[in-house]
Amino acid sequence: QKEVEQNSGPLSVPEGAIASLNCTYSDRVSQSFFWYRQYSGKSPELIMSIYSNGDKEDGRFTAQLNKASQYVSLLIRDSQPSDSATYLCAVNGAQKLVFGQGTRLTINP
Amino acid sequence: DAGITQSPRYKITETGRQVTLMCHQTWSHSYMFWYRQDLGHGLRLIYYSAAADITDKGEVPDGYVVSRSKTENFPLTLESATRSQTSVYFCASSELEGSNQPQHFGDGTRLSIL
Repeated sequence: QKEVEQNSGPLSVPEGAIASLNCTYSDRVSQSFFWYRQYSGKSPELIMSIYSNGDKEDGRFTAQLNKASQYVSLLIRDSQPSDSATYLCAVNGAQKLVFGQGTRLTINP
Repeated sequence: DAGITQSPRYKITETGRQVTLMCHQTWSHSYMFWYRQDLGHGLRLIYYSAAADITDKGEVPDGYVVSRSKTENFPLTLESATRSQTSVYFCASSELEGSNQPQHFGDGTRLSIL
């Protein structure tokens, strides 16, 4: 069983809509959760960190964490074509992060 | 703010050759990491280092060697390159306790082995 699972997509969302990206993890003691955005041919870029249950908002991005369900999500409001990228979920493990395989998101104008 | 830099950005070499990928960070982060990224596999950890002179294997260490004599540098060496090592390689760093801090990535090295 993979430690961090994401739907690989592609996820297609119309411009202006809400994009919802999901991630589940297997290690119940995980405490730190991160979302990275990776444009094609570029390196992963940190966009959100979340450590406590609930929601954390930063501009158009909202990260949601539910430790009881071992679930973390990323919502992107008012999606723009520039949000088209692969989004990687990362969860802390022993001394290192464990990455999901990423969800490819396409925003259609 | 230079951050983390990788060199070279692109490299083409032949099977059996030795090649070294360089990684340099200016943040004085304790932890450094090497990943490879291939289609269908996502990011796979090769090696990581918690401090100078402390390194440990990741998920796919075979065929790779690392060293960390200085905090700011973490070179990755392919001692005898094989075609299966054709990939994009990312270096990353994080401060303090590696697992509770986000990692920050370099721009990557695209390596082709012919």
